[in-house]
Amino acid sequence: NAGVTQTPKFQVLKTGQSMTLQCAQDMNHNSMYWYRQDPGMGLRLIYYSASEGTTDKGEVPNGYNVSRLNKREFSLRLESAAPSQTSVYFCASKLAGVAKNIQYFGAGTRLSVL
Amino acid sequence: AQSVTQPDIHITVSEGASLELRCNYSYGATPYLFWYVQSPGQGLQLLLKYFSGDTLVQGIKGFEAEFKRSQSSFNLRKPSVHWSDAAEYFCAVAPEYGNKLVFGAGTILRVKS
Repeated sequence: NAGVTQTPKFQVLKTGQSMTLQCAQDMNHNSMYWYRQDPGMGLRLIYYSASEGTTDKGEVPNGYNVSRLNKREFSLRLESAAPSQTSVYFCASKLAGVAKNIQYFGAGTRLSVL
Repeated sequence: AQSVTQPDIHITVSEGASLELRCNYSYGATPYLFWYVQSPGQGLQLLLKYFSGDTLVQGIKGFEAEFKRSQSSFNLRKPSVHWSDAAEYFCAVAPEYGNKLVFGAGTILRVKS
């Protein structure tokens, strides 16, 4: 029972480099989410996809893009990484239209931008 | 707008002592409330949730939480803390069929032996 799988687990980038964080879920969930976690700030929503084929901005979307590749996969792309994007990134998923907004989380990707 | 406040950034308790982590929320309608736990280097695990009905809810690992509408609070409790409970705890609020969770800043629990 894999649940939500994120790759890679760790990554170090130089300023200006690009990369894509991958997320896949095997629970047949409709909605998927990307959060970033910074000390003292909890988790903040970057982007989400309510269903396959749709994506919407969250609280902190600047500097990121997303792709909902299919029902299982939701990727997060940093086109030109900046030190301010050093963070821990979490992917989550849930069933849509069903009580009651319970999200399931991956183990996270720890990203450092130098 | 919804918001969640966890007033305590860090809490230290002795093993075997009782624990209460505070959570206050701001939300226009009846909220759906959650507590998640994050062990070091891990993702978030759902401890418990409140949707409606009995205001005292039981969760995993011996945790419970009480919803108090008059105080806009959803405090997490455990009668006897174990060293393995050391982690960061997040309170979150959401609408019933909405798409978004709003998280508090988290409380880091340290357990003294």
